[in-house]
Amino acid sequence: NAGVMQNPRHLVRRRGQEARLRCSPMKGHSHVYWYRQLPEEGLKFMVYLQKENIIDESGMPKERFSAEFPKEGPSILRIQQVVRGDSAAYFCASSPAGGFFVEQFFGPGTRLTVL
Amino acid sequence: KQEVTQIPAALSVPEGENLVLNCSFTDSAIYNLQWFRQDPGKGLTSLLLIQSSQREQTSGRLNASLDKSSGRSTLYIAASQPGDSATYLCAVSYGGATNKLIFGTGTLLAVQP
Repeated sequence: NAGVMQNPRHLVRRRGQEARLRCSPMKGHSHVYWYRQLPEEGLKFMVYLQKENIIDESGMPKERFSAEFPKEGPSILRIQQVVRGDSAAYFCASSPAGGFFVEQFFGPGTRLTVL
Repeated sequence: KQEVTQIPAALSVPEGENLVLNCSFTDSAIYNLQWFRQDPGKGLTSLLLIQSSQREQTSGRLNASLDKSSGRSTLYIAASQPGDSATYLCAVSYGGATNKLIFGTGTLLAVQP
């Protein structure tokens, strides 16, 4: 059973370009979380999605950031018009269900560098 | 505000030592607490998950304890090895509809051979 997969592992963009980060959850998992780790900072929650639904996006910046988890295919975190401050590691986690005692399994992350 | 703090920020020990990493959280109404390991440039590996009703969990040389009322958790590593060198992260969940994790900033552990 493959773990959580993220691609690309490394992404370089110039200021103003778009970044698309993909996350394929573990088989059988229908819940996805995105977290961001800025340099020298801890991981911060961004958004929580179930298939075709955004449940909680309280950690997402109001502008330029969006996320989706379609019925078929991976979850996508999209950053439009990237700026240098978006340079960070973006981690995806999945779980088989919601609820308070369900463990989240993390992917290897996508490291975004904005030039 | 719900915050998680980890002390020390960095720790260097000789191989074979037993060591303790500390995690504290400001709001004691947690549902669960997880300890993770993060290797440089890599993702997070879950080490132990403690539910709020539990006092401790053990896995091999690792033992995590939880004192919910005082807002503290410790991760005990016995007989440390160079392969234990990594950043150790503590994260708490307050449940709700999201079950999002709130992370501490981690303890960078170096075990010297």
